[in-house]
Amino acid sequence: SAVISQKPSRDICQRGTSLTIQCQVDSQVTMMFWYRQQPGQSLTLIATANQGSEATYESGFVIDKFPISRPNLTFSTLTVSNMSPEDSSIYLCSVSHRGWGGELFFGEGSRLTVL
Amino acid sequence: DAKTTQPTSMDCAEGRAANLPCNHSTISGNEYVYWYRQIHSQGPQYIIHGLKNNETNEMASLIITEDRKSSTLILPHATLRDTAVYYCIVRPTTYNQGGKLIFGQGTELSVKP
Repeated sequence: SAVISQKPSRDICQRGTSLTIQCQVDSQVTMMFWYRQQPGQSLTLIATANQGSEATYESGFVIDKFPISRPNLTFSTLTVSNMSPEDSSIYLCSVSHRGWGGELFFGEGSRLTVL
Repeated sequence: DAKTTQPTSMDCAEGRAANLPCNHSTISGNEYVYWYRQIHSQGPQYIIHGLKNNETNEMASLIITEDRKSSTLILPHATLRDTAVYYCIVRPTTYNQGGKLIFGQGTELSVKP
């Protein structure tokens, strides 16, 4: 298993600004993912964070809006750029590792409110 | 597109078994069935997964039909702390085939005293 820490846990931001969310894992992991959960909705996959290369984005998500970094096997960041109230969501980091049987582990999420 | 269909909500009496159904009629031969749950204000938590045989762990049992087109998650003695949204997900078996999970809408289970 893995312990995943996300920062910030919550934030209130102004329209037009950007916020970077950090995901730190207590062990090296092969794969890291970023999800969004809008109020009252299920989780939607934003992208797969690839170590040392550009992230792989799902349909409907673009790098200019959600730039992602993954400099090593334990850390990743997601930036929400030029925010609008529609970006108010919980953003979750999840990880998996070869040998874990395919399980994904999730952080507690970062709750973002855009005014 | 979500590849599973689940009831939107279910109730269960505390101490009774909770049986959560899931339809996955288009499942491929190389896809597992995974179950996760999300307790309010927390990240999703892995419960169990299986390919074609029934599985049991300390949290739950997973019953998969012989044709693999549906499954049932069983919580044998539901407690109030089992109140959560339960997600049934199908995904490829091979690690290198993606690893990602695509969530549907899930079933909101309410365990009542």
